[in-house]
Amino acid sequence: DAMVIQNPRYQVTQFGKPVTLSCSQTLNHNVMYWYQQKSSQAPKLLFHYYDKDFNNEADTPDNFQSRRPNTSFCFLDIRSPGLGDAAMYLCATSHLRDEQFFGPGTRLTVL
Amino acid sequence: AQSVTQLDSHVSVSEGTPVLLRCNYSSSYSPSLFWYVQHPNKGLQLLLKYTSAATLVKGINGFEAEFKKSETSFHLTKPSAHMSDAAEYFCVVSGGTSYDKVIFGPGTSLSVIP
Repeated sequence: DAMVIQNPRYQVTQFGKPVTLSCSQTLNHNVMYWYQQKSSQAPKLLFHYYDKDFNNEADTPDNFQSRRPNTSFCFLDIRSPGLGDAAMYLCATSHLRDEQFFGPGTRLTVL
Repeated sequence: AQSVTQLDSHVSVSEGTPVLLRCNYSSSYSPSLFWYVQHPNKGLQLLLKYTSAATLVKGINGFEAEFKKSETSFHLTKPSAHMSDAAEYFCVVSGGTSYDKVIFGPGTSLSVIP
């Protein structure tokens, strides 16, 4: 089945130790999104790619970076995780202006 | 600027009674509108979408929503609530001021009382 896959599902890192989360899709969608979701809150958009065009939200910290080497893959790099970065990270894909398909998420714990 | 308002942060209904979750948006252009549901510790699932076709949209699990441009609203309804409907509901706007911009509303938590 076509889907959005996120790895790992659970990630534990230490304060300040870089971490990379990955997302892959088999849907051939041209838009890929990264969201941060904390408990009892709405997903917060960090950035998205429309094809290779990168769009950073104004309030996304510089600590967060992203790469999209090809249509299928997208990575979220957190350069120096802080305790406040502990959250669920959601990847989503879509055709332009159409419904988003969400991955299961990566739960990040920062010790 | 584009924005989404969900007027109620929490709604509580009795099982078998109607559900109304309200959503208003602001947008300079004609956006696409969506409702997503998230059950506790689960992923986000699309309930229904409006993309400039029929203004009354039917979704999964008996939910429907009506797009009213004059009121800039996209309220979600269901005639009869079921216990399994208890979840968080998000109204989402896409492609309003920017072709690829997506805005989530703050969410409405729905409780269903037996």
